[in-house]
Amino acid sequence: GENVEQHPSTLSVQEGDSAVIKCTYSDSASNYFPWYKQELGKGPQLIIDIRSNVGEKKDQRIAVTLNKTAKHFSLHITETQPEDSAVYFCAAALYLYSGGGADGLTFGKGTHLIIQP
Amino acid sequence: EPEVTQTPSHQVTQMGQEVILRCVPISNHLYFYWYRQILGQKVEFLVSFYNNEISEKSEIFDDQFSVERPDGSNFTLKIRSTKLEDSAMYFCASTFGLGGTGELFFGEGSRLTVL
Repeated sequence: GENVEQHPSTLSVQEGDSAVIKCTYSDSASNYFPWYKQELGKGPQLIIDIRSNVGEKKDQRIAVTLNKTAKHFSLHITETQPEDSAVYFCAAALYLYSGGGADGLTFGKGTHLIIQP
Repeated sequence: EPEVTQTPSHQVTQMGQEVILRCVPISNHLYFYWYRQILGQKVEFLVSFYNNEISEKSEIFDDQFSVERPDGSNFTLKIRSTKLEDSAMYFCASTFGLGGTGELFFGEGSRLTVL
């Protein structure tokens, strides 16, 4: 089955600086790579996702890059703000376009992002 | 904004007791999921459900677990005889599927504590 490794486990950056979180996956068939933000006591919330047919996607201060050959993908947050402090999870899945829903997501272990004022 | 709702938010039970966790997925979604998260660890896939049957399940989802969609709105996870190691946060999630964005919407979770 799929295995997702995520680094670092904790990341502390100064407010305004950039943060980068990296993930690798093992199953070359995976084609859907979402990133989730989890605030204390809440469920994971999707912040950005990428399909295997693109190499990069950006949404305001958040961007994700995907290298299919190396089987790794990264989350980039620029101009970090205090409200970015949370645990971030990457995930991978085989998204069945014909069938519709994704198979179960395999999550990384999470990165606790701390934004220092 | 539509959301996935889960009840109860917290349940405490004795080892060996049966527990049912309830979820109301977003109304027009077709795919439903249960995940769990042991305190401080990653979110783990348990089971996916589509067209009134299980479409995929993980090794965690053994014979002690079952899922059901008893009516048009609820999606339940039953643990038949709870063990200490079942203590975790259980998240329900749903997605529309084909034609949708692919985003999985998670509920706020049900914390299960087994004593």
